Amino acid sequence: NAGVTQTPKFQVLKTGQSMTLQCAQDMNHEYMSWYRQDPGMGLRLIHYSVGAGITDQGEVPNGYNVSRSTTEDFPLRLLSAAPSQTSVYFCASSLTWAFGGLTDTQYFGPGTRLTVL
Amino acid sequence: SQQGEEDPQALSIQEGENATMNCSYKTSINNLQWYRQNSGRGLVHLILIRSNEREKHSGRLRVTLDTSKKSSSLLITASRAADTASYFCATDRYDKVIFGPGTSLSVIP
Repeated sequence: NAGVTQTPKFQVLKTGQSMTLQCAQDMNHEYMSWYRQDPGMGLRLIHYSVGAGITDQGEVPNGYNVSRSTTEDFPLRLLSAAPSQTSVYFCASSLTWAFGGLTDTQYFGPGTRLTVL
Repeated sequence: SQQGEEDPQALSIQEGENATMNCSYKTSINNLQWYRQNSGRGLVHLILIRSNEREKHSGRLRVTLDTSKKSSSLLITASRAADTASYFCATDRYDKVIFGPGTSLSVIP
């Protein structure tokens, strides 16, 4: 298994540009999520999905869109990039999700380092 | 928010010593997890402890959970230079997993 893969690894955008960060997992995981990590800080949840066709907002969803058309893929779209979105973005997945919470660990991708000028 | 808060923010110890990090959170949880992040890398899962568990072990790691105090601790015994990393606790309730700001651990050879 490749696990959780993210592309690209690095990206530089100009203010106002849009782009999509790709995330894919080959473990048939139901739960997927996107986080951003700013220097010296923990991870903040952007959006998450508990299964194909189901997405919801996390702590910091503004400026980002997601969709989950398949179990494997969970792309994150930046609608109009701003310097405040300069960060490292991590995608994660987990095997199962029950109403009471995650039942398994989250596996993280290697991250995408995004700079917005 | 039910964000966890790690304490201390930074910890520096000598190789061979034990390292203890604490995590406090605000609301009731289902599970609590500890993760490690080496500089510039992704996160690696260490331990998941459920709300009905009080203690778990994995190798040199020992995690405790006190739901009455809304706190957890991570103990790393006989630390090694390779344990130098940032450590995060993450709490989940229903469908959101929220991370704390982390503890930066430096193990000096």
